This record gives sequence, C-alpha cells and structure tokens, in this order.
Amino acid sequence: EAQVTQNPRYLITVTGKKLTVTCSQNMNHEYMSWYRQDPGLGLRQIYYSMNVEVTDKGDVPEGYKVSRKEKRNFPLILESPSPNQTSLYFCASRPGQENYGYTFGSGTRLTVV
Amino acid sequence: QKEVEQNSGPLSVPEGAIASLNCTYSDRGSQSFFWYRQYSGKSPELIMFIYSNGDKEDGRFTAQLNKASQYVSLLIRDSQPSDSATYLCAVKSEYNFNKFYFGSGTKLNVKP
Repeated sequence: EAQVTQNPRYLITVTGKKLTVTCSQNMNHEYMSWYRQDPGLGLRQIYYSMNVEVTDKGDVPEGYKVSRKEKRNFPLILESPSPNQTSLYFCASRPGQENYGYTFGSGTRLTVV
Repeated sequence: QKEVEQNSGPLSVPEGAIASLNCTYSDRGSQSFFWYRQYSGKSPELIMFIYSNGDKEDGRFTAQLNKASQYVSLLIRDSQPSDSATYLCAVKSEYNFNKFYFGSGTKLNVKP
C-alpha cells in the first residue's frame, strides 16, 4: 500500500529533551515536507526537501532540524523542545510533477511539558 | 494578510443538499489549487486539484476556479453525513515548486 508512515503517533516529552520523529514514504516521491497544525493557524510548513541532501526552510523552521540522507526517509529533529512546539505534526510527500498534491502521513501529536 | 483565506464555519447543510465551500488566495500568479478533506483526528486527504479556469467534476465533487477573482470553490452535491469534515484549500506557490499554502479550513456539518 502506498503510504507515508510516521512514528510515533503520540509523544509526551519534557522541555529540552532531544527527540526525533521519523517519516518514511514508499512511493519514490521526490518532495517531502513537514507541517505542523495548530487550531486557528492551519497547516504551516516547517521544512521541505526536494531530493536527497536538498532541504530548505519553510515558514516556521525555528527549533527544528531535518535531514534527507535517503529518498524515502525525512526525519524531523527537535534538539531542545519547548512547550510552544506542542502541536500536531504531519509528514507529507509528493511526486516531482507540477500538479500533484501532497500525500500526508497519519500525524504525530507531540506534547512538551 | 494570509496567503489563503477560508471561512472557518461551521457550515451546516441538510443531507442531500449542495454544500458550497469557498477559498480566496492572495498570490495572483498561483497556478495549482487543491482541496483536502480532514476528518477529526485524522490526516488531510487530497480529494481534488484544479489548475484551469472553470469547473472540474469528479463524482459528487466539483471544483471551480476563477483566477481573475482569485477564488476557488468546492461544491459537494447530494451531501452525506459522511462528508462531515474540515475542508482545506491549498495553493501551490508560483515561485517555489514545493511550497504549498494551506487555508485554516472550513468545517462542514451534514445533518441527517
């Protein structure tokens, strides 16, 4: 089944404790992105990647890191999480052709206390 | 000003009626437009895209695009209670191939 897989689905952590949210897609998509979704603010792009070793900042990159060492994987790293990073996170991927939309993973609900 | 604006709703329609969801965008050069459906607690699911002015139909869904007015809409015919969800409008940036701007979504309630 074609899909984007994120783990974990739920995570509660403490301020300052480094964490990684994994993302993997099996559709051979070139583009991958991370979004966070907050009430009233909608989906905001954190980082995106156009291919292996090519990443760039989205609209809200502060406090996050990403890497794209393999085409299928795009982990999101929070080096020192803070409470304002409590949110619902989605990984997404899409083909390189122009008129294709993103396919989203199931989401990771992160709580930082 | 937000890149993509949607009325947050909720929009309530009776079962069997036509639901009309609207979206405006600020970047006049935008070329590709997408509608996503998101059930509560779930991830967004792509239901339609449109890039030419006019209407595009897919089953009970019709997307309408008017680039001159910077306006995109989604019509759902014969609305069903299972259509109750939040509908997100997304616009692909003209300048950045990978940058999608999402609206905050319109919550639709279809009453039996």
